[in-house]
Amino acid sequence: EADIYQTPRYLVIGTGKKITLECSQTMGHDKMYWYQQDPGMELHLIHYSYGVNSTEKGDLSSESTVSRIRTEHFPLTLESARPSHTSQYLCASSGYRDRGLRQYFGPGTRLTVT
Amino acid sequence: QKEVEQDPGPLSVPEGAIVSLNCTYSNSAFQYFMWYRQYSRKGPELLMYTYSSGNKEDGRFTAQVDKSSKYISLFIRDSQPSDSATYLCAMSGTAGNQFYFGTGTSLTVIP
Repeated sequence: EADIYQTPRYLVIGTGKKITLECSQTMGHDKMYWYQQDPGMELHLIHYSYGVNSTEKGDLSSESTVSRIRTEHFPLTLESARPSHTSQYLCASSGYRDRGLRQYFGPGTRLTVT
Repeated sequence: QKEVEQDPGPLSVPEGAIVSLNCTYSNSAFQYFMWYRQYSRKGPELLMYTYSSGNKEDGRFTAQVDKSSKYISLFIRDSQPSDSATYLCAMSGTAGNQFYFGTGTSLTVIP
């Protein structure tokens, strides 16, 4: 069982609100990732981090921001939620096991913006 | 053009059948090929990975990579109802860096 947690699991929020999706892992992994997953669509990488104070944008353009102040914590923030942000957000981390190819995923946060 | 193409299915098979899941890709720089399984309302979990071309077997699962055709496959032998899930292929040019996922194939194994 992977030790990676996401809160909240489900969130329904109105347009214009600021939200933060939390992600924590207890495995001491340096690499962490945020993906967006929509039905019938591939996982899209929106942010990643290779360690504390290191963050990069992924291939999918996103209006969200991330921070990595502690190794175990990688929150994602939307300053002003819009209906287009409605999606499933998955957080993942990886260490050195299996050449770094084994990503451990959290259960996801399903976000609905009304 | 998408980096990775995967038939979304859905695929429905009887228990005990051999299942074949496939992905094609366009980026010849991909060196690592992974298969993830995702149960409903859960995050994906890594099943197995291969490096470059060839086959890899793990129990009832066999992964094949044909880099010349840019085609990868996952075979499931003696499929079980517990194999019912969505299977996602993923690829990477450099281990542990950016990953490119397929859309996933939904599989149902009927008892």
